[in-house]
Amino acid sequence: SQQGEEDPQALSIQEGENATMNCSYKTSINNLQWYRQNSGRGLVHLILIRSNEREKHSGRLRVTLDTSKKSSSLLITASRAADTASYFCATALPNILTGGGNKLTFGTGTQLKVEL
Amino acid sequence: DTEVTQTPKHLVMGMTNKKSLKCEQHMGHRAMYWYKQKAKKPPELMFVYSYEKLSINESVPSRFSPECPNSSLLNLHLHALQPEDSALYLCASSLTGTSGNNEQFFGPGTRLTVL
Repeated sequence: SQQGEEDPQALSIQEGENATMNCSYKTSINNLQWYRQNSGRGLVHLILIRSNEREKHSGRLRVTLDTSKKSSSLLITASRAADTASYFCATALPNILTGGGNKLTFGTGTQLKVEL
Repeated sequence: DTEVTQTPKHLVMGMTNKKSLKCEQHMGHRAMYWYKQKAKKPPELMFVYSYEKLSINESVPSRFSPECPNSSLLNLHLHALQPEDSALYLCASSLTGTSGNNEQFFGPGTRLTVL
């Protein structure tokens, strides 16, 4: 299985602090994506980093990728109570069978709680 | 419109029932997906449709039967389910392409309970 492991499993911080989540995976990938999920509802895509990229930023998010270590990290700066959610990394392999879509394998997830 | 809709939001069914989950998107995406998510676990891929054809079946039991009637709709037909099939069922869609560098857009899910 290519399922990624994430740590920590749970993280509780104060509003304004930074939150860092780590993801490790097992096989070669096309890209790695991070998603957020609120309260067992649908997932929201946060950021995608390609296998030839090392760092990417989007607003308060910073993602790094180290393909030699098969690991990635997500940093959320200046956290807010609204950032409280589960965060999943997902490794992507292209759907080479039909050239359509991609196959995502999700990591175990980190539950982030941001307290006021 | 960047939304994926799923109906119903909640579904309770007996083990002998037949029901269907529906998913719709109007973003012009030609790849659509079904995932199953148990509580406190990550989503697990079930099926991938590309250009309305089933391209990946992750060894899902035959009591789950997917269908893609057109490029905007994706159904999941359920029959003779077991209580352990109770879960959140998520639909997603994405652009297609051999690079695979596409994000997936998820619907809110259907919370299924099998009695």
